[in-house]
Amino acid sequence: KAGVTQTPRYLIKTRGQQVTLSCSPISGHRSVSWYQQTPGQGLQFLFEYFSETQRNKGNFPGRFSGRQFSNSRSEMNVSTLELGDSALYLCASSLDGNYGYTFGSGTRLTVV
Amino acid sequence: GESVGLHLPTLSVQEGDNSIINCAYSNSASDYFIWYKQESGKGPQFIIDIRSNMDKRQGQRVTVLLNKTVKHLSLQIAATQPGDSAVYFCAEKKKQNDYKLSFGAGTTVTVRA
Repeated sequence: KAGVTQTPRYLIKTRGQQVTLSCSPISGHRSVSWYQQTPGQGLQFLFEYFSETQRNKGNFPGRFSGRQFSNSRSEMNVSTLELGDSALYLCASSLDGNYGYTFGSGTRLTVV
Repeated sequence: GESVGLHLPTLSVQEGDNSIINCAYSNSASDYFIWYKQESGKGPQFIIDIRSNMDKRQGQRVTVLLNKTVKHLSLQIAATQPGDSAVYFCAEKKKQNDYKLSFGAGTTVTVRA
C-alpha cells in the first residue's frame, strides 16, 4: 500500500512569506501528526489531527497552524516565515493516533 | 524541551558484529515506545515498537528490550550490515490519548567494512 506522501519535497521561501505543506496519510489512517526536525532541537511535535479535529498541539507560536480534511489529508501552514523556521517538516500517520506511526519523507523548507 | 535521552550520540560497529543502541526515558507512565531509523535525506523509518506491558519484542534481525525498573530501552541489531548505517531514534508516547511522540536526540551508527 502507498505510504505517507508529503508535498512538496523542497521549498525555498523568503522571510515574511507564508507556506503551506501537504500530507496524505496511508489509506485508512485517520490520525495525522506533524513534526519539525532541526539539527539543534531534533524532532519536535507540532500538532495532531483526527477526524478534522486538532487533539494536541506542541509548543510552537501561533504562526504554525494546520488543518485536516474529511479524506484525512492534512495541511500545515506557517505564516510570516523566519530564518529559524528552516527545517525538515515531517508528517506521520496512524490509525488512531495511539500506535503505529508511519512517517513521510518530509518537506525540506529553507527560509532565506 | 521534552526528550527521551540516548546514551551515546555515535556508535561505530564492525560489519557482522551485533549493535546495541541504548535509550533512557524519564516518564514511568509512558505506554508505548518506537525505534526509528533515519537515513540522510529521508524521513524516519519504523523499525520496531513495544508497548509498556512487554519486556522484549523481536523482529527481523532486531530486538527491542524494555526495562521499566530503570526506565531503559535498547535496540539490538544482529549481524550489522553496511545498510544499517543511519541515525537511530527512540521515541516514547508518554500516556494514552496523548497522540504525540517525544524523541531522543539520536545515535549515529556507522558500520565499518
